[in-house]
Amino acid sequence: GQQLNQSPQSMFIQEGEDVSMNCTSSSIFNTWLWYKQEPGEGPVLLIALYKAGELTSNGRLTAQFGITRKDSFLNISASIPSDVGIYFCAGLRGQFYFGTGTSLTVIP
Amino acid sequence: DAEITQSPRHKITETGRQVTLACHQTWNHNNMFWYRQDLGHGLRLIHYSYGVHDTNKGEVSDGYSVSRSNTEDLPLTLESAASSQTSVYFCASSSGGTDYNEQFFGPGTRLTVL
Repeated sequence: GQQLNQSPQSMFIQEGEDVSMNCTSSSIFNTWLWYKQEPGEGPVLLIALYKAGELTSNGRLTAQFGITRKDSFLNISASIPSDVGIYFCAGLRGQFYFGTGTSLTVIP
Repeated sequence: DAEITQSPRHKITETGRQVTLACHQTWNHNNMFWYRQDLGHGLRLIHYSYGVHDTNKGEVSDGYSVSRSNTEDLPLTLESAASSQTSVYFCASSSGGTDYNEQFFGPGTRLTVL
C-alpha cells in the first residue's frame, strides 16, 4: 500500500538541540497526523492538522500542514531524553496512509 | 477517559491454530481498524469497519477475518495461524467525520506463531 515518504529515517542529537522531520507525498491529503511510538507501546497521537498552512503546537512540538497539502513538518524544540522514540506521520485521504517513521535518539 | 484496549498483550500459538485478538474502544467511534506492524513495512491495514455489521478488507487481509456486532468491539481472527503472521497487531479507531477525524491506537498485541 501507499506509504508516505518520511525523512530523515533516523536522528542522533544532543539534548537541547532542535529537531525537524517531514513527510511528503505525491498525493493531496485532507488531514495530517503526527504520532510518537515508544518500544512495546502503541502510537500516541501528538498533533492533528486539518487545513493547508495550519501551524499547531503541543508544548515543545510544532507541526505544519504544507500549503500544497502534499507534505507536513514536525519540529521539536529543546529536545530532552524522554523525546526518544519513533515519530511517524499519517495522512488521511479516504483512508489513513502512514510514513515510514523517524527514529530519534537524544544523547544526554 | 475514553480509550482503546487490546487483549491479550502477548500471545504465543502454534501453526494451524485459530486465534482471536480482542479490541475494545470507549470513544464511541464509528470507524475501527486493524493493522500489523513489521520491521521494514511499517503499519499495514488488515481490515476495517465503518460501523456495526460493516467490514472491509485492507491491503493484507488474507488469512484474517473480522466481525462487528456492536460499536465498541472489533475482534480479529486468524483462521489458521501461519508463521508469516508473527507480528505486532494494533487496533485503532476514529470518529469518521469529515472534520477532526483523528485516529487513536491501542497498545498492541504481540503475536508469535511457532
